[in-house]
Amino acid sequence: AQSVTQLDSQVPVFEEAPVELRCNYSSSVSVYLFWYVQYPNQGLQLLLKYLSGSTLVESINGFEAEFNKSQTSFHLRKPSVHISDTAEYFCAVIEAAGNKLTFGGGTRVLVKP
Amino acid sequence: EAQVTQNPRYLITVTGKKLTVTCSQNMNHEYMSWYRQDPGLGLRQIYYSMNVEVTDKGDVPEGYKVSRKEKRNFPLILESPSPNQTSLYFCASRSAGFRSNYEQYFGPGTRLTVT
Repeated sequence: AQSVTQLDSQVPVFEEAPVELRCNYSSSVSVYLFWYVQYPNQGLQLLLKYLSGSTLVESINGFEAEFNKSQTSFHLRKPSVHISDTAEYFCAVIEAAGNKLTFGGGTRVLVKP
Repeated sequence: EAQVTQNPRYLITVTGKKLTVTCSQNMNHEYMSWYRQDPGLGLRQIYYSMNVEVTDKGDVPEGYKVSRKEKRNFPLILESPSPNQTSLYFCASRSAGFRSNYEQYFGPGTRLTVT
């Protein structure tokens, strides 16, 4: 069975500074990987996903994540954060041909002015 | 507008009083699921359904029931709620198979408090 570990439960960061959220997974088969974002008092929204092809994937609001198969990681980065990026971020994995989406514990990002 | 709706959004109840949280999607999705979100634990799957009349347990099914009589609806039933079921609940849906890109659409959440 797959599992997901997000190594940081909280990440405080100053506005316009870079941020990296770490995600590692374990699975015995090929996987698809996702990052979801949850803004305060809202549901989850898909931020970006890796299914196949280029290992570097980008979102429309400046986030990017790189799939590293050898390190079983899918870290999320943004070179310059905004106050509006304050949210909780969840890494998730689903096994290829599987049905179950497994989430990590979440990383709460607090952007300070 | 494509969406997943849940009702109620907030609910405070007492131990043992049966309740139902409704979930409906308008995207003709085959796959629906329920999650609970607890601090530090992320989202854990309670039950899921691959299609009408096909349901199965997720990681934390104890104390919950579901039904899927129509494709668009997937209610979550707590027959006898207990305080450890106090949580934030999310319903989600997606198309089946690779053509969906496995993207799940989430409802706005239901915050349940059991006293």
